[in-house]
Amino acid sequence: GAVVSQHPSRVICKSGTSVKIECRSLDFQATTMFWYRQFPKQSLMLMATSNEGSKATYEQGVEKDKFLINHASLTLSTLTVTSAHPEDSSFYICSARVTSGSTDTQYFGPGTRLTVL
Amino acid sequence: GQQLNQSPQSMFIQEGEDVSMNCTSSSIFNTWLWYKQDPGEGPVLLIALYKAGELTSNGRLTAQFGITRKDSFLNISASIPSDVGIYFCAGAFYNDYKLSFGAGTTVTVRA
Repeated sequence: GAVVSQHPSRVICKSGTSVKIECRSLDFQATTMFWYRQFPKQSLMLMATSNEGSKATYEQGVEKDKFLINHASLTLSTLTVTSAHPEDSSFYICSARVTSGSTDTQYFGPGTRLTVL
Repeated sequence: GQQLNQSPQSMFIQEGEDVSMNCTSSSIFNTWLWYKQDPGEGPVLLIALYKAGELTSNGRLTAQFGITRKDSFLNISASIPSDVGIYFCAGAFYNDYKLSFGAGTTVTVRA
């Protein structure tokens, strides 16, 4: 299957700082990537859809000024958590959409564990 | 997206046993996906289904796309210790590529 990487795998930062997380499609191009957030023992919650060359679309309740998304190339999307606070601590996972004919699938990255002190 | 109803929530099984879990939705989907997530990792795609009634296998895993397009099941045969993890179903409707996820089924295997 398609390979998606994330960097960093875990990050610890001080409250008030900004953190950037990268999501890369390694062996394919992805015009659409997604950013999810996952709390312990819960399912994945979609935060936003990242579209190459255009603005991201955010799900209801997700602050776009807080979670900045940039999809500058067909293989890279970044999520920047601005002015992070302890409540932003979570597991952030990206995925890349892969379409081929009638099939439409998402492949996920390994996730980034963010801890805000 | 909407939340799918996934059951059971958790299961303890003996090594060698077969496992079955399912997902239902109030809306029809044209794509059903099954993922497995290990602790601290991202979900890994196990099986993708695109046609009502489709039955697909991947090793010891078998999944089916329900004919009503509102449900899917995943079977694991002859479970082994590495089958431990959380299994998620996900569905998408044609032209709406956002995935709706189930709450997950946690599988624990007793050796």
